[in-house]
Amino acid sequence: DVKVTQSSRYLVKRTGEKVFLECVQDMDHENMFWYRQDPGLGLRLIYFSYDVKMKEKGDIPEGYSVSREKKERFSLILESASTNQTSMYLCASSSSYRSRGYEQYFGPGTRLTVT
Amino acid sequence: SQKIEQNSEALNIQEGKTATLTCNYTNYSPAYLQWYRQDPGRGPVFLLLIRENEKEKRKERLKVTFDTTLKQSLFHITASQPADSATYLCALCTSGTYKYIFGTGTRLKVLA
Repeated sequence: DVKVTQSSRYLVKRTGEKVFLECVQDMDHENMFWYRQDPGLGLRLIYFSYDVKMKEKGDIPEGYSVSREKKERFSLILESASTNQTSMYLCASSSSYRSRGYEQYFGPGTRLTVT
Repeated sequence: SQKIEQNSEALNIQEGKTATLTCNYTNYSPAYLQWYRQDPGRGPVFLLLIRENEKEKRKERLKVTFDTTLKQSLFHITASQPADSATYLCALCTSGTYKYIFGTGTRLKVLA
């Protein structure tokens, strides 16, 4: 059974803290993604990675950075957390084979609250 | 600018009826269109993929249509059950990229 896991389901941090969100997939997928999901705004792409050490900005990268040192692991870093980063964060992975249509497998999500 | 629209209002239907959800898009030429199901507090789960050269796809009680002229996809659940109650997201991907753009989702409630 394919699996994407995220390090925490719930997280509470203070403004200005550095926050690390970890994501691990066991499907040997090339592509990994970080989204945030907010009511009325849907899923918005923050960053994605198509290979180890490779990354590309999504639609809302400001205030975030990422790291992919190993194929199975993709980390999202909030350099200095702010209250407007309170959100649900979702990690996903997909194969890069066109025949698979790039279907994405999502983790359970991390609900981050910044106070 | 690129836009994906799903009915933001919740859809309530009676058990046993067919639920039909709509996904419209503008300024976009998707190569792939996907539908996902999302339950509260959980990540989306992939349901169906349809390619730009396909008109219709089926999987058990699910059916997806894709009309690139109308720029619209319809998602049908036949013989709906209360367990089908969830939010359904459509997502589009253009050729040459792995990235999908997601709609905001439609909440479906199937009444017993």
